[in-house]
Amino acid sequence: DVKVTQSSRYLVKRTGEKVFLECVQDMDHENMFWYRQDPGLGLRLIYFSYDVKMKEKGDIPEGYSVSREKKERFSLILESASTNQTSMYLCASSSGASSGANVLTFGAGSRLTVL
Amino acid sequence: GDSVTQMEGPVTLSEEAFLTINCTYTATGYPSLFWYVQYPGEGLQLLLKATKADDKGSNKGFEATYRKETTSFHLEKGSVQVSDSAVYFCALRGGSYIPTFGRGTSLIVHP
Repeated sequence: DVKVTQSSRYLVKRTGEKVFLECVQDMDHENMFWYRQDPGLGLRLIYFSYDVKMKEKGDIPEGYSVSREKKERFSLILESASTNQTSMYLCASSSGASSGANVLTFGAGSRLTVL
Repeated sequence: GDSVTQMEGPVTLSEEAFLTINCTYTATGYPSLFWYVQYPGEGLQLLLKATKADDKGSNKGFEATYRKETTSFHLEKGSVQVSDSAVYFCALRGGSYIPTFGRGTSLIVHP
C-alpha cells in the first residue's frame, strides 16, 4: 500500500512559534502537495513540489514555506504561527505528470491549533 | 481556469435511501475525473475515477459516469449505509499535475 505519513496528528502551538509539519511518502512519488482544510472552504493548496528542491506556490502560500531536500519528504513550515493558521493540514503525493489519471494519496492530516 | 462545483451539504438520508451528489466541472480539453471520500478523523482517499467520456467509475456500491455533454460526474449509490457517512469531494485533473477539488459535500446517514 502507498503510504503518506504525517508525523503529528495533533499539535498545539502558541502565536509566534515556528512550526514544522513533516510528511513522508514511501512510493517514490515525484509530486507532493500541502493543503489546508477549513469548514466551508474545502481544500486549498498551499505549496506543491514536483521534484527534489523544487517548489511552487499554490493558492494560499502567505505565511508558509516548504522544504524538499529528499524525494520522500516534504515539510511545511510556519515561520511565525498565527491564530488564523489554526486548521487541518493535509499532505498528499502522486506520481509524475505523464498520466492525467494519476491519483493523489493523502496522509491522515495534522490538526494544528494556534493559541 | 479549471473549476469544480458540487452541491452543498449536509445531505441527510435514512439508511437504505438512494444517494445522488451532483458535481459539474469546467475545464479545457479532456480531464480525468475523481471522487474522493474523507471519513471522520482521516485524510482523503480515492473512491472512484473515470478518465474519458462515458466511462463509469464504480467502487463500494458507488457509481459515477463521465458525461462530457453536460460536464458532469454525479455520484450515486442505490442504498446508503450508516458507514457511508463522510465528506465526499469531486475533483478533476487536466493537463497540469495539480488537481482541482470541489468544496466537499457532507453526507449524514441515520439508522
